[in-house]
Amino acid sequence: GENVGLHLPTLSVQEGDNSIINCAYSNSASDYFIWYKQESGKGPQFIIDIRSNMDKRQGQRVTVLLNKTVKHLSLQIAATQPGDSAVYFCAGMFSGGYNKLIFGAGTRLAVHP
Amino acid sequence: NAGVTQTPKFQVLKTGQSMTLQCAQDMNHNSMYWYRQDPGMGLRLIYYSASEGTTDKGEVPNGYNVSRLNKREFSLRLESAAPSQTSVYFCASSEAIGGRQYFGPGTRLTVL
Repeated sequence: GENVGLHLPTLSVQEGDNSIINCAYSNSASDYFIWYKQESGKGPQFIIDIRSNMDKRQGQRVTVLLNKTVKHLSLQIAATQPGDSAVYFCAGMFSGGYNKLIFGAGTRLAVHP
Repeated sequence: NAGVTQTPKFQVLKTGQSMTLQCAQDMNHNSMYWYRQDPGMGLRLIYYSASEGTTDKGEVPNGYNVSRLNKREFSLRLESAAPSQTSVYFCASSEAIGGRQYFGPGTRLTVL
């Protein structure tokens, strides 16, 4: 079955450093991946997405890389700021069955001044 | 443009009580979803509605029912609440099934 998981439950970085949050998935029939940011007491907020026909996509200070060979994707945040402190979820949409997002457990990013 | 709104924000129930969680979206989206989020876990899909007039089970539908009242509104009902249903519930919507989902702020439910 489908499975999406994050490598580390927590990640601590210094303000100004770059952050890399990793995610792995088990099903090759993937169509679409999304990264969400969830701040305490709020709903998940869309950050960036990538379709399976792409390897890389860039947004404002964020880049998502998709490596289909090893079934891995990562979220890179440049010049991490205190406001980036949150839990980050990767989610995958897999073909077959119904179109549902499978969420990983989340990585908590802590940014220290 | 409020996006996805949910009511109530917090609720405490006793075991066996019933309640309905309300969700509305103003983005003219076709598809709507209900998730639950438990500590240390990602979101799990309870039910979804691909379009107005249709509803389908997700990963964890037991103990819940849903109603797609119209294109804007999608409610989640607990007929007889159990402590295992203590969770944070999120509603989401997307333009079409399989598309980017936008989430509401959540309802924190405690069942005693």
